[in-house]
Amino acid sequence: GAVVSQHPSRVICKSGTSVKIECRSLDFQATTMFWYRQFPKKSLMLMATSNEGSKATYEQGVEKDKFLINHASLTLSTLTVTSAHPEDSSFYICSAPGVGSTEAFFGQGTRLTVV
Amino acid sequence: SQELEQSPQSLIVQEGKNLTINCTSSKTLYGLYWYKQKYGEGLIFLMMLQKGGEEKSHEKITAKLDEKKQQSSLHITASQPSHAGIYLCGAGHGSSNTGKLIFGQGTTLQVKP
Repeated sequence: GAVVSQHPSRVICKSGTSVKIECRSLDFQATTMFWYRQFPKKSLMLMATSNEGSKATYEQGVEKDKFLINHASLTLSTLTVTSAHPEDSSFYICSAPGVGSTEAFFGQGTRLTVV
Repeated sequence: SQELEQSPQSLIVQEGKNLTINCTSSKTLYGLYWYKQKYGEGLIFLMMLQKGGEEKSHEKITAKLDEKKQQSSLHITASQPSHAGIYLCGAGHGSSNTGKLIFGQGTTLQVKP
């Protein structure tokens, strides 16, 4: 099946710094990708839709300036957590729809810890 | 907005026992996905159901979508420790299935050897 690769799998950063998370579709093109956030023992919450060649669409309550999304190519979307704070610590996971959008393929997720 | 409610929230079963996890939607489901997740890891796709009354099986896991397309159940037969994890149901947003999903809160399954 299709593979979505997310990098890094774990990252620890200091408060105030920025962290970039990459999401790549390895064997297919994805004009759209989705970014989710998962709090401990909670479900996945959709943060934004990443659109190749245009601006991302953010869900209500998600700060656009804090979570910068760039979809530079048909196989790569990046999420940058800017000026990170400890409350940004979470598990972030991306997905890309498969052909015909009948399935969503998920990356391995990134565990972000802000200290 | 659509909401998915999973039950139970957590489950502990003895190895070899059968179990069922339910997922109920507040609106008609146009695509219902079941995923398994180990805490802090990515999601493993299990099955997708689209048609009312549809039933799919993979190894010892069977998922059904009811006729009215507002509830799905995931049944595991003869559970094993390898089945332990978090089970998530996800639904597509509205009738256009773009791969954009909303999720239930998850069911944590523990299987005791």
